[in-house]
Amino acid sequence: AQRVTQPEKLLSVFKGAPVELKCNYSYSGSPELFWYVQYSRQRLQLLLRHISRESIKGFTADLNKGETSFHLKKPFAQEEDSAMYYCALSGNFNKFYFGSGTKLNVKP
Amino acid sequence: DAGVIQSPRHEVTEMGQEVTLRCKPISGHDYLFWYRQTMMRGLELLIYFNNNVPIDDSGMPEDRFSAKMPNASFSTLKIQPSEPRDSAVYFCASMGQGIGELFFGEGSRLTVL
Repeated sequence: AQRVTQPEKLLSVFKGAPVELKCNYSYSGSPELFWYVQYSRQRLQLLLRHISRESIKGFTADLNKGETSFHLKKPFAQEEDSAMYYCALSGNFNKFYFGSGTKLNVKP
Repeated sequence: DAGVIQSPRHEVTEMGQEVTLRCKPISGHDYLFWYRQTMMRGLELLIYFNNNVPIDDSGMPEDRFSAKMPNASFSTLKIQPSEPRDSAVYFCASMGQGIGELFFGEGSRLTVL
């Protein structure tokens, strides 16, 4: 069965520190992986997707099929990165499964 | 485009009452999704439509929940009768064909007393 696991409900780091939000998945086929972000008082929105292999707002995520992980990383966290982050999986771009979310708090 | 529009933004009701949540997707999007967000479970997919047809409703928790999409620009999620455990934020999202990106509404926060 498909599942997305985000083990940390809350992650607190200081400004300038590296940050890594963990995401593990289970899926029988070849999934597409995404990270969505919800800033305070804003809509949930796409941050990045693994097929694009891009860096958005300094964040990157590498798909590790061996470890079935798609961790989100940023070398130097900023206060404006504070938000709720959701890892998501899709098998065929028409059904999306989300993890339970990790709240990132970047302290000054 | 104003994006996905949901109403009401907030709803407080008493147990046993009927609740109807509404969604207007982005024009031209073929897919519409209903999600429920809670602290414990995060975002749960309830149901999704493709070209107004329900494709997968396996996430709908009980028969008390129903969803319709009478046309390409409108969908409803109904709970009848409502219970306190239904309290959550309900999100609607739409997606265009082949885009692979969900566009979310602002959500409807439901409180059942």
